[in-house]
Order: sequence, then C-alpha cells, then structure tokens
Amino acid sequence: GAGVSQSPRYKVAKRGQDVALRCDPISGHVSLFWYQQALGQGPEFLTYFQNEAQLDKSGLPSDRFFAERPEGSVSTLKIQRTQQEDSAVYLCASSLGSWFLDSNQPQHFGDGTRLSIL
Amino acid sequence: SQELEQSPQSLIVQEGKNLTINCTSSKTLYGLYWYKQKYGEGLIFLMMLQKGGEEKSHEKITAKLDEKKQQSSLHITASQPSHAGIYLCGAGDTGTASKLTFGTGTRLQVTL
Repeated sequence: GAGVSQSPRYKVAKRGQDVALRCDPISGHVSLFWYQQALGQGPEFLTYFQNEAQLDKSGLPSDRFFAERPEGSVSTLKIQRTQQEDSAVYLCASSLGSWFLDSNQPQHFGDGTRLSIL
Repeated sequence: SQELEQSPQSLIVQEGKNLTINCTSSKTLYGLYWYKQKYGEGLIFLMMLQKGGEEKSHEKITAKLDEKKQQSSLHITASQPSHAGIYLCGAGDTGTASKLTFGTGTRLQVTL
C-alpha cells in the first residue's frame, strides 16, 4: 500500500498476557519510529530504527517492551506481561530520511493500534 | 528535555472564520512539524518548518516559524468542517530523522 500500515487496529488483552503489534512502513523508508499515545495527549517516542538497526530505545518504558525490525522493513513491537498502564494507542511512523542524512523528510504515520488491557 | 506548549487547548469556530493555533518551545527548534489527527486515526503531515522566519502555505493553512525559532503558529483561513480535528506540533532534536517531541494538541471544532 501507499501508506504506513499497522495491525491489528484494535487489541484487547488480559493483564499479564503478551501482545505483538505489527508495522509495515512505506516501501523504501529507511527510518522507522514507534510512539505511544495516551488519551488526550500527544504521541511519546518509544524507539527508532534505521534499517534493521535499533539506534535509539530510550523511550521504552520498561524491559517488558521489545521492538525489532529484522530485515529492515516490517517492525514488531512486543509487550510482555501487559499491565493496565500499557493501554494506549501505539503509532508507527516511517521516514525516507536517515539519522545521518539531512534529507528534510517528514515522518508519515499509520493509523495506530489501540491496545486495551483488562 | 524539550517541551512544547500549544494554545489554545480547544477551539470552537464558526464555519468561514479564521483561527490561529500557537506552539511554543522551551528550547530552540530544529525542525517544527505540524500534523492533524482525527479521532481513531493516525497523524496526517501538514507542514515542516526549519528556518527562522520561514512561512509555508497549503490550501487555506499557513504555518510560520518565528525568527528566534522558539514559536510557531498555524493559521487557518475561512475554516471549513473538514478542518475539524486535533492539531499537533512536533519538534525534532537534531536533523530530520530524529525522534519528535509533541505538544498535547489543539482540538478544533468547526460549527455550521
């Protein structure tokens, strides 16, 4: 597709379960970002990939959060032993620019996965 | 860390009226991005500003970055119902591929 695709759109899980959220970026985009958006707030940065390399994971709230992008394309955000405070919308964004190239390319966002932990 | 404040938090305007949304940073902005978000959807890129004094327009939306690069404004002329949504400003740390810090957003409603 032409845009960033995320799946599932909605995910309901019981506290303590593991979840996996998928992001399919725009073809050819080098950079991939994950953000977490709480209700009524702006998105908050979680982690950044340049191709398959995870260059920044400073925003991951705990070691229960893990992200990967093994082939430099599709990325998965995994949350282990989910807690109620993990309930949020998880947004993925991709950009043609890279960490080292100042190519003035904006980030393009998917529609997000709305995660609800019961 | 950088903080972005947006004002107003919410806005209700009558169709056809003009409006302005402000975004103020605690630090010098290295790239200021404006996005629009509708409920349940992702962010739609509107405009990017990088240089002090820069101004960009797209259709009826104009964004400006002040000379000191610490404040940006988004102006909508002759608002329409299609303009309704949440407007978010986002700022990068360095370069264009860096993580973005976002404001809390401005919720815009346009009444008929």
